[in-house]
Amino acid sequence: AQSVTQLGSHVSVSEGALVLLRCNYSSSVPPYLFWYVQYPNQGLQLLLKYTSAATLVKGINGFEAEFKKSETSFHLTKPSAHMSDAAEYFCAVRDQAGTALIFGKGTTLSVSS
Amino acid sequence: GAVVSQHPSWVICKSGTSVKIECRSLDFQATTMFWYRQFPKQSLMLMATSNEGSKATYEQGVEKDKFLINHASLTLSTLTVTSAHPEDSSFYICSAEGQKNTEAFFGQGTRLTVV
Repeated sequence: AQSVTQLGSHVSVSEGALVLLRCNYSSSVPPYLFWYVQYPNQGLQLLLKYTSAATLVKGINGFEAEFKKSETSFHLTKPSAHMSDAAEYFCAVRDQAGTALIFGKGTTLSVSS
Repeated sequence: GAVVSQHPSWVICKSGTSVKIECRSLDFQATTMFWYRQFPKQSLMLMATSNEGSKATYEQGVEKDKFLINHASLTLSTLTVTSAHPEDSSFYICSAEGQKNTEAFFGQGTRLTVV
């Protein structure tokens, strides 16, 4: 069965610092991988997705993630944090189109000035 | 990306009443829709998967008679919480996917409070 593990339920950074949110997946086949952001009382917004094309995926708002099969990881990074990046971030996986996403437990990102 | 509209965004209802939540794909045909539930500070838990014109497939532990899902058209799915109780209070989120999509698009979510 697929699963996603997000290491660190809460990450705090200073404005301008590097953001690194960790995600490891468990899948028996090459997966589709996603990162979503959620602001309070809102739905999910897709940041980026990996669908077996380039291993380094660039998303919106300056975020990017690298798929590393050898490490079964898909960590999310951003070179310089903004206050507006403070939110909940979810990593998700699925084996094929048309199936439901399996979500990690989420990581709360706090950004201080 | 494609747009999924979920309505209402929040609702308060009395215990014992039923509440219907709508999920619409505005600019594509959604062959599959998913319903998730999210408790405070927690992740999204899949409740059910619905394909247009078919009965929904519920996840283990989800009461199909309590959470009625209808997906009668390619642009609309509804979730009805029947005989709601305070423990049903939660954030419900739908997502929709077309046949050729590699991603699902999410609605804005519905905050249900049962008093």
